[in-house]
Amino acid sequence: GEDVEQSLFLSVREGDSSVINCTYTDSSSTYLYWYKQEPGAGLQLLTYIFSNMDMKQDQRLTVLLNKKDKHLSLRIADTQTGDSAIYFCAEGANAGNMLTFGGGTRLMVKP
Amino acid sequence: GAVVSQHPSRVICKSGTSVKIECRSLDFQATTMFWYRQFPKQSLMLMATSNEGSKATYEQGVEKDKFLINHASLTLSTLTVTSAHPEDSSFYICSAREGFRHDSRYEQYFGPGTRLTVT
Repeated sequence: GEDVEQSLFLSVREGDSSVINCTYTDSSSTYLYWYKQEPGAGLQLLTYIFSNMDMKQDQRLTVLLNKKDKHLSLRIADTQTGDSAIYFCAEGANAGNMLTFGGGTRLMVKP
Repeated sequence: GAVVSQHPSRVICKSGTSVKIECRSLDFQATTMFWYRQFPKQSLMLMATSNEGSKATYEQGVEKDKFLINHASLTLSTLTVTSAHPEDSSFYICSAREGFRHDSRYEQYFGPGTRLTVT
C-alpha cells in the first residue's frame, strides 16, 4: 500500500528558514499536499503541487518535488512563532480523493 | 473559501452509549465526505468515504457496525459511534469534497475536528 513518511520533529529559531521533508512510495500520486495543524484544531491546507511540477512558491512557502526520488519538501522562509504546529504531507492519486497522510512533523520555533 | 463545520467540537460520553458527530459543508455541496481518526501525536487514518445517497465505503479494519456513517444530503454527513468504549476516544476529523466544479484544484476541505472522550 501507499506509505508516506516524515521526520517527527524540527526546531528552528525565529527568522530562520524551516525545511520539512517527506517521502512517499506511490508512483501514481498526482497531487501532493501540505497541511498545517495547530493544537486541538483541524487541518489547514497550506499548499499543494501537481506531480508534473517540480517547484511551487506561495509567499513564504516553497514546495520542491523530486518525482524521481519521490521526495517532497516544504520550505518556510522567515519562520515565525506562529508557524509552530504539526505539518502533514499527504498524497492522493486524484484531486479530492482519499488522501494518505504522513505521520506529521512537529515544528517548534524558538524566539 | 469553503467551510466545513463539525458538531460537537468536544463530547464526553459514558462507556456503552452512542454518540453522533455531524459534519456540514456550509457554502458548497459536498458529494463526497471523508471521516478520519487521529490518535494522540499520530497521523490521520482514513476511516471511511461517504458519497451522498449511497452507503459508505469503510477502510480495512474499521467496523462499519460500530461507526455508522450517514450522508443523507449534499451538506451533511454524520458519524455515529455506537456502544462507545474508552478505546474509541480520539479526535475525529471530517473532510468534504465539492462534487461538481470542473476545477483542477479539487481539494478536500477539513472540519475543525471533534474530540471524543469515552469514560
